[in-house]
Amino acid sequence: AQSVTQLGSHVSVSEGALVLLRCNYSSSVPPYLFWYVQYPNQGLQLLLKYTSAATLVKGINGFEAEFKKSETSFHLTKPSAHMSDAAEYFCAVSDRTGTASKLTFGTGTRLQVTL
Amino acid sequence: DAGITQSPRHKVTETGTPVTLRCHQTENHRYMYWYRQDPGHGLRLIHYSYGVKDTDKGEVSDGYSVSRSKTEDFLLTLESATSSQTSVYFCAISPGTGTGAFFGQGTRLTVV
Repeated sequence: AQSVTQLGSHVSVSEGALVLLRCNYSSSVPPYLFWYVQYPNQGLQLLLKYTSAATLVKGINGFEAEFKKSETSFHLTKPSAHMSDAAEYFCAVSDRTGTASKLTFGTGTRLQVTL
Repeated sequence: DAGITQSPRHKVTETGTPVTLRCHQTENHRYMYWYRQDPGHGLRLIHYSYGVKDTDKGEVSDGYSVSRSKTEDFLLTLESATSSQTSVYFCAISPGTGTGAFFGQGTRLTVV
């Protein structure tokens, strides 16, 4: 069974600082990997996805993530945080077998951005 | 939000009563999913559908049933609601594997 670990349930950064949100997965075969963002009282919005093309994936709102097979990681970064980035972020995986996109989620990381 | 509508958006119900949540999509995607979101657990898959009348269980399916009689509609039923089913429920859709999924706005269900 797949699993996802997000280190740090809360992360606080200053506006303009680097954002680094960590995600590690456990799977015998590298899965598809995703990052989602959730703003208060809203649904989840797909930020970016890794499906086996380039290991460095660029997403919306200036975020990017790098797939590292040797570390089983898919950390999310943004060079300069903005106040509007404050939200909860979820890492998710789905396996490559079958045709459905069933997602297994991490427990989420709440990002706080301070002045 | 990717043509997904969940109804109702909020509901308070009493323990032991049946509850049905509805998800409607306008994208004609093959796959539809129901997740629940609880603090400390992220989102967990309840049931999913891979076509009309074709459904399967997810990680936390006990106490829930689903039906899909049309491509665009996916219903989640709590036959006899319990307080442990107080949660935020999200419907999602996807065209297939590797695409991720697109989520609705959620339904906040409180069982008292």
